Order: sequence, then structure tokens, then C-alpha cells
Amino acid sequence: DIVMTQSPDSLAVSLGERATINCKSSQSVLHSSNNKNYLAWYQQKPGHPPKLIIYWASTRESGVPDRFSGSGSGTDFTLTISSLQAEDVAVYYCQQYYSDTPITFGQGTRLEIK
Amino acid sequence: QITLKESGPTLVKPTQTLTLTCTFSGFSLTTNGVGVGWIRQPPGKALEWLALIYWNDDKRYSPSLKTRLTITKDTSKNQVVLTMTSMDPVDTATYYCAHRHPAAIGTGKNWFDPWGQGTLVTVSS
Repeated sequence: DIVMTQSPDSLAVSLGERATINCKSSQSVLHSSNNKNYLAWYQQKPGHPPKLIIYWASTRESGVPDRFSGSGSGTDFTLTISSLQAEDVAVYYCQQYYSDTPITFGQGTRLEIK
Repeated sequence: QITLKESGPTLVKPTQTLTLTCTFSGFSLTTNGVGVGWIRQPPGKALEWLALIYWNDDKRYSPSLKTRLTITKDTSKNQVVLTMTSMDPVDTATYYCAHRHPAAIGTGKNWFDPWGQGTLVTVSS
């Protein structure tokens, strides 16, 4: 199985400041055939299901604010929120889909307001 | 607009079989490339993918749970059913069904959006 490890486990950032969440995979999720990274990011607000925010490591889902961006390649990835808003308080998960059996998620990073 | 909703028992006893139904709208599981997955989340813990079924009835299962899981579809009812045998208290979780993202079509890979609201299943005697 591809193990996804996120850091930190929790993060407190002031409103308007930058938030950075990291995700590391135990093996590369970069597919050589199309040079794409098979990684997604989800946001889960309290009491709600996960919501897709990024796929292909850096493609923002339709309707997601442009303060959210994804970067990285191979085994190391980053989700950045450029200017934290109150509504961004959530747990964020990365997911690899390079291997479809099993699909695996990171353990989550809890983002709070400082 | 795509919506999904999970239904099933909120409480099951150890050793029993769990049957969950995902009823969806806004898409058809007869359309080429469409898929529906199941993912669970124990209270306060991370997400765990369980199973997925494609429009052509191809199925994928988590290797660690494969012997206990069965996923089926009823296209006439717009439903996907997940059964899990030999339930144990460690299976206590919120169970979500989710729609395979359209950009995944043609890739053979899977990520999900949107997700249903989830249903909490507690395993206890």
C-alpha cells in the first residue's frame, strides 16, 4: 500500500496569514506516461463530508477559491492557503490515486485560527 | 446537481452483517466511466476507502477488507449497496458513498466528488 503521511497533525494560523500543509507519499505518485501526479486534497468541515478542493496535485476544483493552491511532485506535496479565512477552519486530507487498490488517504491535518 | 445519500442501520451487533444503501441522483450508473465508491471514517479518525463499483459492473475492494465486502448496483433504482460481514466494534464509523470525479474518466483512477452526508454505524452488543 502507498502510505500517505501529512504534517503537521494540527496547525494554527492567524486570519489573513498563509497556511501550509504537507503530504508525503511512501512511493512516487508521478505517472511517467503523462507526467501527472496522482494526488488529491479534500477539505472536511466539522459535521460535514469531505469536499474535493484539488486534484492532479495542482488543479483546483471548480468553485474553489483561488487562495487554495496545490504544489509538489513525486512524493512531496503541499497545500497552501494564501490568506486564511475563518471559513477555512477544517481538517484537510490528501489522497493518492496512483494505486487504485487500495486508494489511500493521509491521516489529516487540523487547521485552526490562532 | 449530483446528490448521494446513505441509509441503513445505525446500530448493529458484533458478528452481524451490515447492509448500507447509497441512493443517488443527477447521474446514471449506466453512463460510460461513472463510478460510486464507499469510504468510512471512525469517530475522530482518518478516511479509509472500502470499495468502488463502475458503470460496467467492474468492482474494486480494499485488500484488507475484501473477504468481508460486497458492492452491487441497481441501476433501475439509482442505488449502490455495500454489505460488510462479521461486524466488529472497530468497524464503528461514519460510512460515506461518493461519486467518481468526471475528470477520472478514462484514467482508470479514482477520486471523489461529491460525497453523501454519511451515516454513522455503531457496532455494539
